[in-house]
Amino acid sequence: GQQVMQIPQYQHVQEGEDFTTYCNSSTTLSNIQWYKQRPGGHPVFLIQLVKSGEVKKQKRLTFQFGEAKKNSSLHITATQTTDVGTYFCADFSGGSNYKLTFGKGTLLTVNP
Amino acid sequence: DAMVIQNPRYQVTQFGKPVTLSCSQTLNHNVMYWYQQKSSQAPKLLFHYYDKDFNNEADTPDNFQSRRPNTSFCFLDIRSPGLGDAAMYLCATSRGAGYGYTFGSGTRLTVV
Repeated sequence: GQQVMQIPQYQHVQEGEDFTTYCNSSTTLSNIQWYKQRPGGHPVFLIQLVKSGEVKKQKRLTFQFGEAKKNSSLHITATQTTDVGTYFCADFSGGSNYKLTFGKGTLLTVNP
Repeated sequence: DAMVIQNPRYQVTQFGKPVTLSCSQTLNHNVMYWYQQKSSQAPKLLFHYYDKDFNNEADTPDNFQSRRPNTSFCFLDIRSPGLGDAAMYLCATSRGAGYGYTFGSGTRLTVV
């Protein structure tokens, strides 16, 4: 299946700074999911976006789905050291609604 | 708490010696997945079961097999592990189409 393109690959910020990771696809996505994986840990489901232009918030995290459903972003306001980890977007590709293909992820490190 | 449990957490096996990784779930989810994740890479789907229906990814090596004897358990068998098979193996479950995944903690496989 087609893999969504995710940028940047790495991002280092000072604690308190904002952070954004982007996911892009050349084709229209049915929906997109976001996961967080702490160092040494396993991916943890954060959210799913389904509707065009959808915006969802979880405390300091804001998730957006583009109007054309070809891109998505995750924005973290005022990062904390607990935000450290790799953030993956994932989409259902390959003609299946229950087979996720993960983007390459963005590794966020936070300097205290 | 309902969860996905993988055993063992760490597995060391000899080159060419068959090894089995196990996964169990108390979520009663229909779908179970096996992903391989190498260092600093995205999880890569090996295969999945929808109930008893087995679905193999086209690029999954024949060296990898899976069994799902019942709803709760799923096994990953590596018939002749090579050095390139050293990775984190992640089991995940989902209710079905369009739902988020619940991952286990993973089994880190070392091949010596």
